[in-house]
Amino acid sequence: AQTVTQSQPEMSVQEAETVTLSCTYDTSESDYYLFWYKQPPSRQMILVIRQEAYKQQNATENRFSVNFQKAAKSFSLKISDSQLGDAAMYFCAYRQRGSEKLVFGKGTKLTVNP
Amino acid sequence: DGGITQSPKYLFRKEGQNVTLSCEQNLNHDAMYWYRQDPGQGLRLIYYSQIVNDFQKGDIAEGYSVSREKKESFPLTVTSAQKNPTAFYLCASEDRVGGYGYTFGSGTRLTVV
Repeated sequence: AQTVTQSQPEMSVQEAETVTLSCTYDTSESDYYLFWYKQPPSRQMILVIRQEAYKQQNATENRFSVNFQKAAKSFSLKISDSQLGDAAMYFCAYRQRGSEKLVFGKGTKLTVNP
Repeated sequence: DGGITQSPKYLFRKEGQNVTLSCEQNLNHDAMYWYRQDPGQGLRLIYYSQIVNDFQKGDIAEGYSVSREKKESFPLTVTSAQKNPTAFYLCASEDRVGGYGYTFGSGTRLTVV
């Protein structure tokens, strides 16, 4: 079974600085998707970024970018120019292509200090 | 605006009662999902539905039931057989199973009193 591991239960960053959240996953499949979701205090899950495994280019969405290392099964999220609104739980998730299920990590709580 | 509406936001249940959590979407999505979230854990799949009048068990379906009579609606019933129902429940949808990714509702917090 696929598993997703987020080794940092909590992280903190100063406003305007850069922070990287780690995620590793375990799978024997070669065709899959990886996601980062944000869950702010409102608790609604918001898709931050999505990466397709067959694409070598790392995905970016404005201040959010990923470092996807397929051989190492690593998928880290970099947040640049951190803002107070970035404070949230961040979940890494894996999905085998065509599968109904997302497999989630346990999350990393990000605090942004003014 | 299109989205997913979950209600109620907070729900209290007495021991032995069944309760139903509502999930409605106006995104015209075929696939809908229910996940459970517990403190310090990720999300776990309870049930999912690919199409009207069809649904499948996820990883933790015991003590739960669902129906999908309309494309827009996917209610979840937490039965008295669910031994530890206190949790945060999230509903999600997407255009099709295995699609771009989920759109989530804002969740329902269920507490057993």
